[in-house]
Amino acid sequence: SQKIEQNSEALNIQEGKTATLTCNYTNYSPAYLQWYRQDPGRGPVFLLLIRENEKEKRKERLKVTFDTTLKQSLFHITASQPADSATYLCALDPNNAGNMLTFGGGTRLMVKP
Amino acid sequence: EPEVTQTPSHQVTQMGQEVILRCVPISNHLYFYWYRQILGQKVEFLVSFYNNEISEKSEIFDDQFSVERPDGSNFTLKIRSTKLEDSAMYFCASRAGTGNTDTQYFGPGTRLTVL
Repeated sequence: SQKIEQNSEALNIQEGKTATLTCNYTNYSPAYLQWYRQDPGRGPVFLLLIRENEKEKRKERLKVTFDTTLKQSLFHITASQPADSATYLCALDPNNAGNMLTFGGGTRLMVKP
Repeated sequence: EPEVTQTPSHQVTQMGQEVILRCVPISNHLYFYWYRQILGQKVEFLVSFYNNEISEKSEIFDDQFSVERPDGSNFTLKIRSTKLEDSAMYFCASRAGTGNTDTQYFGPGTRLTVL
């Protein structure tokens, strides 16, 4: 069966450290993968999109990698801040047609001062 | 920066009543979507809409649901006869449509509570 799995346990880290979140998928062949941030009671906010021919993408303190062999994407936040505390969602387009996104369950990140 | 907007932010209704959730997608976007998120669960796809037609729908999107773009700016989701299990956050999203891999931008959501 098709699955997108993110660590459901909260990730607690100290301010200033690098947070690394994992997204694994099974029985999909996504041409691209996206990461979103979601705060409680709010809609997902787009962060980064990485395509299958891109091994790494960066935006300010954020970095995403995409390994189609391992079927995994890693999301890094360097020099983390308490304001980075949120749930981070990975999402892929199961048909690569732009018609829908399938989301993982999200990983909650808590950055302590 | 352009945003997707949704109204109302919170809707409370009685079981069996009809509700209409409203969205204003980003101007010049061509693709529109509805997703829902039951409390504590994943964001789930409901339906996508392009060129005044449904282009994809999930198993959740049964005959009780319908979508419409009544004018050049609004995109609506109607639930004809609400059930308790329809209680969720409903998110509208839009995409420019310049390519299949361009991003979907989400609205802030409407919290629907069915009593």
